[in-house]
Amino acid sequence: AQSVTQLGSHVSVSEGALVLLRCNYSSSVPPYLFWYVQYPNQGLQLLLKYTSAATLVKGINGFEAEFKKSETSFHLTKPSAHMSDAAEYFCAVSDLSNDYKLSFGAGTTVTVRA
Amino acid sequence: DTAVSQTPKYLVTQMGNDKSIKCEQNLGHDTMYWYKQDSKKFLKIMFSYNNKELIINETVPNRFSPKSPDKAHLNLHINSLELGDSAVYFCASSQETTSTDTQYFGPGTRLTVL
Repeated sequence: AQSVTQLGSHVSVSEGALVLLRCNYSSSVPPYLFWYVQYPNQGLQLLLKYTSAATLVKGINGFEAEFKKSETSFHLTKPSAHMSDAAEYFCAVSDLSNDYKLSFGAGTTVTVRA
Repeated sequence: DTAVSQTPKYLVTQMGNDKSIKCEQNLGHDTMYWYKQDSKKFLKIMFSYNNKELIINETVPNRFSPKSPDKAHLNLHINSLELGDSAVYFCASSQETTSTDTQYFGPGTRLTVL
């Protein structure tokens, strides 16, 4: 069975600083990995996804993530935080062993300081 | 032009009541889902339908009954509501059920059981 661990339930960054959200996965077969963002009182929106093509994946709003099989990681980064990046971020994994159902991590709340 | 819409947005009710949440998608997708997000923001899939057929049914009490009158709609009916049913329920849709398909989420329905 696959699972996802997001390290750090809360991350606080200064505006203009690097945003780094950590995600490690566990999967017995090749995984597909996703990052979703949830703004307050809204549904989830896909930021980016890894589908076994390029290991460095670029998403919307300046975010990117790198799939590292040796480290079983899929960390999300953004070079320069903006106030509008304040939200909840979820890493998710799906694979054949679980009929490709999405399994979400516990989420990381990002706050951005002016 | 809301892609995935849910009604109502908020639902407050007494224990023991029966309630329904409606979901509609105008994306022409074949697959729809219901997720439950608990108070700790943990997201878990409940059901999935593909072309009106149930394909995923997680370990959910049988008080929860999804109904798909057509592939653009997936409603969730809950009988005999319990305090533990309080959560945010998200509907989502995707083109297919493949591993890499992006799921599009609705804005959520916040259910409070008193």
